[in-house]
Amino acid sequence: SQQGEEDPQALSIQEGENATMNCSYKTSINNLQWYRQNSGRGLVHLILIRSNEREKHSGRLRVTLDTSKKSSSLLITASRAADTASYFCATESGGSNYKLTFGKGTLLTVNP
Amino acid sequence: GAVVSQHPSRVICKSGTSVKIECRSLDFQATTMFWYRQFPKQSLMLMATSNEGSKATYEQGVEKDKFLINHASLTLSTLTVTSAHPEDSSFYICSARAGQGGLYNEQFFGPGTRLTVL
Repeated sequence: SQQGEEDPQALSIQEGENATMNCSYKTSINNLQWYRQNSGRGLVHLILIRSNEREKHSGRLRVTLDTSKKSSSLLITASRAADTASYFCATESGGSNYKLTFGKGTLLTVNP
Repeated sequence: GAVVSQHPSRVICKSGTSVKIECRSLDFQATTMFWYRQFPKQSLMLMATSNEGSKATYEQGVEKDKFLINHASLTLSTLTVTSAHPEDSSFYICSARAGQGGLYNEQFFGPGTRLTVL
């Protein structure tokens, strides 16, 4: 079953603007990861934030995690047309029964 | 990062035939491999988890007799879609979790295989 729910499902912005995508989940997690997928292609790992972390940065990406609200956000600053892709959050849970469960994704379109 | 390959990248087959997809971890040993299915404009759905040398664990609703998974070595897992039908047409993505070394417990994804059943 799907663990994460992203919103919005689709987001269209102009180049240079910031894009914020949110993810909510239901059960306890070890960590939460964000991935990018270009149309018809494989996944690209963007960033991992552990359950004891609240914020993490990587280049133009900023991820926050609020375990009390069971939610995370991905912020892409100064967006570029090349950022156009689907973005998925994935929650890692379990110990011996490890599993990575993906959310439904946000389709981001950055218009030049 | 580590590399996971899939072969073939694209396959078209007739209804009723079986199709085998290979997933290899190229530069690390994967104690666990995962198979996901993704329908158009949807998310990845975990189909099964396989550990080297043991039977795969299938998610609820996934037919184990239809989707045969073999994880024969620490670098190779195969998914065979038996008696494929048009509704099996999908994007299949494998993932490998490193079992040791500096990549321990990291999960890496293959580029996916597009299956079209006519």
